[in-house]
Amino acid sequence: ELKVEQNPLFLSMQEGKNYTIYCNYSTTSDRLYWYRQDPGKSLESLFVLLSNGAVKQEGRLMASLDTKARLSTLHITAAVHDLSATYFCAVVGETSGSRLTFGEGTQLTVNP
Amino acid sequence: KAGVTQTPRYLIKTRGQQVTLSCSPISGHRSVSWYQQTPGQGLQFLFEYFSETQRNKGNFPGRFSGRQFSNSRSEMNVSTLELGDSALYLCASSSPRGLARRSSYNEQFFGPGTRLTVL
Repeated sequence: ELKVEQNPLFLSMQEGKNYTIYCNYSTTSDRLYWYRQDPGKSLESLFVLLSNGAVKQEGRLMASLDTKARLSTLHITAAVHDLSATYFCAVVGETSGSRLTFGEGTQLTVNP
Repeated sequence: KAGVTQTPRYLIKTRGQQVTLSCSPISGHRSVSWYQQTPGQGLQFLFEYFSETQRNKGNFPGRFSGRQFSNSRSEMNVSTLELGDSALYLCASSSPRGLARRSSYNEQFFGPGTRLTVL
């Protein structure tokens, strides 16, 4: 059974600081996604990572994938308050069709 | 292009009742997946439909069922509601790998969700 673990689960940081969220998964996967969720809202797609060594960047967020280590990271650079949200990684197993297995989510709070 | 739509957005039911939720995928998308989100269990996969056939099913009791119509719209039904069914139900649509215009990896796009409260 595919398991996905994120850490930390809660992250409080100051504006301007850098931090990294980690996502580990237990079995071979061919796709990894990062989503953002604001309170009471749905999931907004941030990144799709498809291959080992993939790196994608959008604004202050950068995601990378190491399929050998079964690890993805979401790096936040110079955080701003608008980044406060819950971030989920989700993995599709090689035999899972479109089924997403989600991590627990990381609740990020950026303080002024 | 319109996104994924879900109706109703909010629903209050009592224990023992049944409920039907609806999802209209992005035009051209033929795959619809359903997820349940609760504070205790997080985001969990319910089922996936493609071309009116259930292609994948999560670990939920038989009270949870779904179907997909020929226009790709999908419904999910929960019978004999329990307090623990209170959740945000999210629908996601995707285009089959290889057929998506923008990509070949059938990225899933989520709807706004239906917030179900069971009293």
